[in-house]
Amino acid sequence: GENVEQHPSTLSVQEGDSAVIKCTYSDSASNYFPWYKQELGKRPQLIIDIRSNVGEKKDQRIAVTLNKTAKHFSLHITETQPEDSAVYFCAPLWGSARQLTFGSGTQLTVLP
Amino acid sequence: EAQVTQNPRYLITVTGKKLTVTCSQNMNHEYMSWYRQDPGLGLRQIYYSMNVEVTDKGDVPEGYKVSRKEKRNFPLILESPSPNQTSLYFCASSLLAAQTREQYFGPGTRLTVT
Repeated sequence: GENVEQHPSTLSVQEGDSAVIKCTYSDSASNYFPWYKQELGKRPQLIIDIRSNVGEKKDQRIAVTLNKTAKHFSLHITETQPEDSAVYFCAPLWGSARQLTFGSGTQLTVLP
Repeated sequence: EAQVTQNPRYLITVTGKKLTVTCSQNMNHEYMSWYRQDPGLGLRQIYYSMNVEVTDKGDVPEGYKVSRKEKRNFPLILESPSPNQTSLYFCASSLLAAQTREQYFGPGTRLTVT
């Protein structure tokens, strides 16, 4: 199966600063790279994704960048706000059955 | 409203007492999956199903069973629960044909086995 590593496991930033979370994967055939956000006590929800024919995608304050050569992709959050505090998961798609393997998660805390 | 539902939301049980957690989706999704979430371990896949009567093991299938007799339902069965199955369980579904594979998650079931 896919080997997925996510770093860091915890991240604290001051409100207004930027946050970056990195995800590395092992399957060179992976072609879809999503990020999920899980707020405390809630279910995970997709916030942004990127396909392998694109290097970067932005949606307001969040962006995802992909480096297929190095097999990693990153979530960037700019101008962080308290409501960005959550656990973030990467989940690259892999294999002929197009399975998702979730990273171990990053707890982001935005300090006021 | 498009949704994935799970029942029960909370369950406390004793070792060895068989239980079933139900999962249902109303989006006509072919793909359904069960995950367990434990601190520091992320979401680990237990079983998945690509369609009716088609199921396969995920990363942590031991101690669990599933069935997919109807497209909308994907129950998770613990024949003889043990304390190490205490966890938060999520059911999810998605479209197979979609370019992406956005997972729509249920609200979660918190299971405690004593």
